[in-house]
Amino acid sequence: DAGVIQSPRHEVTEMGQEVTLRCKPISGHDYLFWYRQTMMRGLELLIYFNNNVPIDDSGMPEDRFSAKMPNASFSTLKIQPSEPRDSAVYFCASSTQVPLQPQHFGDGTRLSIL
Amino acid sequence: AQKVTQAQTEISVVEKEDVTLDCVYETRDTTYYLFWYKQPPSGELVFLIRRNSFDEQNEISGRYSWNFQKSTSSFNFTITASQVVDSAVYFCALSEGGGANSKLTFGKGITLSVRP
Repeated sequence: DAGVIQSPRHEVTEMGQEVTLRCKPISGHDYLFWYRQTMMRGLELLIYFNNNVPIDDSGMPEDRFSAKMPNASFSTLKIQPSEPRDSAVYFCASSTQVPLQPQHFGDGTRLSIL
Repeated sequence: AQKVTQAQTEISVVEKEDVTLDCVYETRDTTYYLFWYKQPPSGELVFLIRRNSFDEQNEISGRYSWNFQKSTSSFNFTITASQVVDSAVYFCALSEGGGANSKLTFGKGITLSVRP
């Protein structure tokens, strides 16, 4: 079975550029989560969706960050304009029957903003 | 507000030693769920176990065992006869209640190094 698929695996770009991270959840999962992992702050929940609807975006750092889920099989996390402090590993996870079932994580996108 | 504390930041052991990773949590809910995830050097997050607040039975899976004690709000993880492949960062996490408003809060993680 295919797991959560994230792309790209690595992204290096200059500050000020727009960055788009992509995620394909596991088929049949109706919850999708975006996390950010940094050394200083650990794993932080940014936003999560249920049935394609954003439920809680209180973890989104600021207006430069936005996330969408146009359908059940695709989500994007966009940063515009990007800044060096956005450098981190971004994980997407999906689940069903939260929290009875565990969240399954993608391999992450390592983002470096120069 | 829910909170997870992993007081140990780094642990180093020699192969075949037993090691216990501590996790203490805070929650006001009576219904909650506890998780352990493993992050090996390759970077992915791997689910290990889920436990709900009504089930205090300890669990054993091969060399792994978990001790859940509500009286001390702890959910500790023991690796018996550790192996080099156990080297990873281990995260404890908590989710309160259920339904659409369930968030997963992670601890800071414990870096375990197993030396040959």
